Amino acid sequence: GQQVMQIPQYQHVQEGEDFTTYCNSSTTLSNIQWYKQRPGGHPVFLIQLVKSGEVKKQKRLTFQFGEAKKNSSLHITATQTTDVGTYFCAGRYSSASKIIFGSGTRLSIRP
Amino acid sequence: EAGVVQSPRYKIIEKKQPVAFWCNPISGHNTLYWYRQNLGQGPELLIRYENEEAVDDSQLPKDRFSAERLKGVDSTLKIQPAELGDSAVYLCASSLEAGLAEEQYFGPGTRLTVL
Repeated sequence: GQQVMQIPQYQHVQEGEDFTTYCNSSTTLSNIQWYKQRPGGHPVFLIQLVKSGEVKKQKRLTFQFGEAKKNSSLHITATQTTDVGTYFCAGRYSSASKIIFGSGTRLSIRP
Repeated sequence: EAGVVQSPRYKIIEKKQPVAFWCNPISGHNTLYWYRQNLGQGPELLIRYENEEAVDDSQLPKDRFSAERLKGVDSTLKIQPAELGDSAVYLCASSLEAGLAEEQYFGPGTRLTVL
């Protein structure tokens, strides 16, 4: 079935280091969303990418959608302790299909 | 503006008992989703409603799970009887409308423990 694979599963970085999580699909996606879930919290929408090769920035966060619309990445520059949490990508294959979440990348930070 | 409201926040039951979860979406949001999230995993869609119509329930274990969204607003998800493997966080989300552009707003979830 359709799956959205996300790597790595965990990432432990020193505060100030960069962080990247990757999302891959074997099938072309219509769009992809990114969510952040703080420990003990619920997923919170960050952004949506729709166009091939699209790049969007939110302060220290950079989101990319691959040219083939089969992969996406989230890059955080100079991590801060407030970035701690699990980052999920969620892909949709068509307007009629459901959103499929990746398994998430859990980011922890050494102060 | 109030967010998605869910209750209860926590529920502990013994296996074979019934349990129900309630969700009130953001006012004006036509689309409502129920997800199950196991520890260390991403949310998995159980059912999606467009107004009062269930448009995607392919992942809902229909032998024990049921859901309803009367009048296209509040929704209830029921499990009867519960099994040990049903222990998880049950998340409700809503969006303004379906389609490619919807942003989902999640509630705080109900953490279910089945003993």
